[in-house]
Amino acid sequence: NAGVTQTPKFQVLKTGQSMTLQCAQDMNHEYMSWYRQDPGMGLRLIHYSVGAGITDQGEVPNGYNVSRSTTEDFPLRLLSAAPSQTSVYFCASSYGPSLGYEQYFGPGTRLTVT
Amino acid sequence: AQSVSQHNHHVILSEAASLELGCNYSYGGTVNLFWYVQYPGQHLQLLLKYFSGDPLVKGIKGFEAEFIKSKFSFNLRKPSVQWSDTAEYFCAASSNTGKLIFGQGTTLQVKP
Repeated sequence: NAGVTQTPKFQVLKTGQSMTLQCAQDMNHEYMSWYRQDPGMGLRLIHYSVGAGITDQGEVPNGYNVSRSTTEDFPLRLLSAAPSQTSVYFCASSYGPSLGYEQYFGPGTRLTVT
Repeated sequence: AQSVSQHNHHVILSEAASLELGCNYSYGGTVNLFWYVQYPGQHLQLLLKYFSGDPLVKGIKGFEAEFIKSKFSFNLRKPSVQWSDTAEYFCAASSNTGKLIFGQGTTLQVKP
């Protein structure tokens, strides 16, 4: 199993550009999430999904869109990139309530917005 | 609102010293608790977890944590740290919604 994969690993955008961060998992997990990691702030939840076709907002959803058309994929869209979105983005997938939503993380995407 | 708080932001220890990192959570109802570790340049890995049962949980690499419900705490401990434990440590909690909320993280630096 590949686990959770993310592409790209690195990306540089100009202010106002849009892009999609890709995330895929092959563990048949129902739950998937996107986080951003900033120094001194830990990981903050952007959006999450409890199954195909179902998404919800996390702590910092503004400026980001998600959709979940399949169990495997959970892309994160930046609509109009801003310097404040410079961060490291992690995708995660997890089991359901029987295992306490234990999450498995991808390797991350380092995004710089100039 | 649900939240997780880690008291120590930066800890420096010498090898063989004992470690305790504090974590407090604010959740109503059932809570699941986790400690994750992030080694330099790597992604997050699970150290240990608590769902129910014995409040003293043991994880990988000699780490353990104790769930104290009355104090809303889930502190991480290790009797004797090694240089290879240098990393960032995150406490996290989830309820029955599937949302996992993280603390701010603690950077541990172990001096050889």
